Amino acid sequence: DQQVKQNSPSLSVQEGRISILNCDYTNSMFDYFLWYKKYPAEGPTFLISISSIKDKNEDGRFTVFLNKSAKHLSLHIVPSQPGDSAVYFCAASALSGSEKLVFGKGMKLTVNP
Amino acid sequence: DADVTQTPRNRITKTGKRIMLECSQTKGHDRMYWYRQDPGLGLRLIYYSFDVKDINKGEISDGYSVSRQAQAKFSLSLESAIPNQTALYFCATSDDRVTLHTDTQYFGPGTRLTVL
Repeated sequence: DQQVKQNSPSLSVQEGRISILNCDYTNSMFDYFLWYKKYPAEGPTFLISISSIKDKNEDGRFTVFLNKSAKHLSLHIVPSQPGDSAVYFCAASALSGSEKLVFGKGMKLTVNP
Repeated sequence: DADVTQTPRNRITKTGKRIMLECSQTKGHDRMYWYRQDPGLGLRLIYYSFDVKDINKGEISDGYSVSRQAQAKFSLSLESAIPNQTALYFCATSDDRVTLHTDTQYFGPGTRLTVL
């Protein structure tokens, strides 16, 4: 059973607008969440993370929101740029779960000029 | 120079052949991981190692084996490759989570393996 779900496989937005990428999880033991970005022919690169003791973390144009009661997190990119076009993976881990990352299936974001 | 390197970057092989994928890191991390990526399935953990003497199976370890030759080196072997092992393979490293309160993993560029 999938513990980390990215239900939308793709998203297309206009340059300058907001991109919102969603992620749901089922394991209530998860206490650390990350977003990775992946370009073709490259490995995933870390983007931003959030601990379960917070509900928001911001880094420049990227903000991650965590709603623990809904077991939901989202990544906001404002303003979106064409260089943000990539596949985005949501990941989660639990300190009690031998600290392995569990990844979602990924979502392809396309930012149109 | 890249912190996490993988060799080869691309490999085409035939069913039944033995294949080894290698990973080296200069980040000084104790923890290393092997993942495979398949279209529509995301990243799935094959094996992981928290130090040189520690090897653990991930969610899809069948058909694979690993060797942690040193802190900086972690290799993945397919003893007898089969076509459904065609995938992108990624190595990753991380530091100690409890100490740093982070689970950030750093990935290599990947190896594209095709088994005919």
